[in-house]
Amino acid sequence: AQSVAQPEDQVNVAEGNPLTVKCTYSVSGNPYLFWYVQYPNRGLQFLLKYITGDNLVKGSYGFEAEFNKSQTSFHLKKPSALVSDSALYFCAVKRNTDKLIFGTGTRLQVFP
Amino acid sequence: NAGVTQTPKFQVLKTGQSMTLQCAQDMNHEYMSWYRQDPGMGLRLIHYSVGAGITDQGEVPNGYNVSRSTTEDFPLRLLSAAPSQTSVYFCARLDLDGLAEYTGELFFGEGSRLTVL
Repeated sequence: AQSVAQPEDQVNVAEGNPLTVKCTYSVSGNPYLFWYVQYPNRGLQFLLKYITGDNLVKGSYGFEAEFNKSQTSFHLKKPSALVSDSALYFCAVKRNTDKLIFGTGTRLQVFP
Repeated sequence: NAGVTQTPKFQVLKTGQSMTLQCAQDMNHEYMSWYRQDPGMGLRLIHYSVGAGITDQGEVPNGYNVSRSTTEDFPLRLLSAAPSQTSVYFCARLDLDGLAEYTGELFFGEGSRLTVL
């Protein structure tokens, strides 16, 4: 069975500092991995995805994520956080035509 | 709105009442789905559809019905609402990026907040 874990309910970081939001997954075969962001009272917005190829994936708003097959991780990163990055972040995984499975979400709080 | 329109945005029901959450997409996408979002639970798939006339169950289908009579519309019906169905509901469409394996990303509506008393 597929599963995805986001071990941190909340991540706090000062503006200008690098940020990491962690995600690990469990899936047999090759995974398709996604990151979404949700701003207050809004739907989820797609940030980036890994399907195949380069392990470092670049996405919207300066975010990037690194696929690590040996550690079954897909951590979201940004070199310099902005206050406007404060939101709820979801990692998701699927395999082939299987349904997309979401993690429980990590709230990112960026302090001025 | 990512081409996905949900109505209503807010609804309060009494236990046992029925209602339909509407979802419409304007880009002729085949794949549509309904999720519910609950604190600490992330998003869980309720039902999905890969085209008109085709629907299937997700992780938490009990208490919900769907139909897909047209490509554009994918309504979610609660036949007899229960307090456990208090949640935020999201409809989403999938962008097929030319591959058969549905590797495209989901585009979500703004959500419908449902409270069942």
